[in-house]
Amino acid sequence: DAGVIQSPRHEVTEMGQEVTLRCKPISGHDYLFWYRQTMMRGLELLIYFNNNVPIDDSGMPEDRFSAKMPNASFSTLKIQPSEPRDSAVYFCASSLGGSWGEQYFGPGTRLTVT
Amino acid sequence: AQSVSQHNHHVILSEAASLELGCNYSYGGTVNLFWYVQYPGQHLQLLLKYFSGDPLVKGIKGFEAEFIKSKFSFNLRKPSVQWSDTAEYFCAVNAKNAGNMLTFGGGTRLMVKP
Repeated sequence: DAGVIQSPRHEVTEMGQEVTLRCKPISGHDYLFWYRQTMMRGLELLIYFNNNVPIDDSGMPEDRFSAKMPNASFSTLKIQPSEPRDSAVYFCASSLGGSWGEQYFGPGTRLTVT
Repeated sequence: AQSVSQHNHHVILSEAASLELGCNYSYGGTVNLFWYVQYPGQHLQLLLKYFSGDPLVKGIKGFEAEFIKSKFSFNLRKPSVQWSDTAEYFCAVNAKNAGNMLTFGGGTRLMVKP
C-alpha cells in the first residue's frame, strides 16, 4: 500500500493567497484527520472525518480554514486568505474503524506564508 | 475530556544510556495507548501500541512501554539508546468513546549524543 499521500510537500505563498492542501488516505480507511504542527503549539488536531462526514472541527482555528472530503479517497484543507501565522507543517492521517485509534500519517505539507 | 502529559520536554543522552520517557493521561475509562516517533523532517510513525493483555508491550527498534493502570501511565523505555534514536516522541491516548480520535501529548525531544 502506498500509505497516506499528501500534496504538495512544500508550499510557499504570499499572504492573502488561497492555499489548498490535499490528502489521499489509505484505501479502505474510513477515518481521516488533519493536524497542524508548529514549534510553538506542537501537534494540533484541526478536524476529522468519518465516512466522509466531518465529526469534529473544533480545532479549526478560524473561518479562514475549511476542509472537505468529497469521497472516501480524497480530502482537502483550504486556507483563504492565508496569513504568515498559518506557516506550519500540516499532516493528514487515516485510520480504520475498529482499530482503536491507530492512525497512519502522511509525509506532511510544509506551508510557508510570506 | 482526556488529556495527555509528557513531563520531559527535552532529553539529552549519550549513546548506550538507558531511556525512560514519561507519559501520564487523565481519563477514567478504558483507553488504548500509543507511542509515535517523529524523526527529524519526517512524519509520525507508530512505535508501539497497547490495547489489552500484557501491560508490557514491545515495539520496533528495541523500544518497550509499560502500562500501569493505577498510575494512569504508559512510560516508554529503551535499555540502550543509539544516535539514530534522536527524534521527537509522542504519547497518545484513544478513549473508547472517542471513535478513532487520538489525544496527543506535547512530545519529548530526544537528542542522543554520539
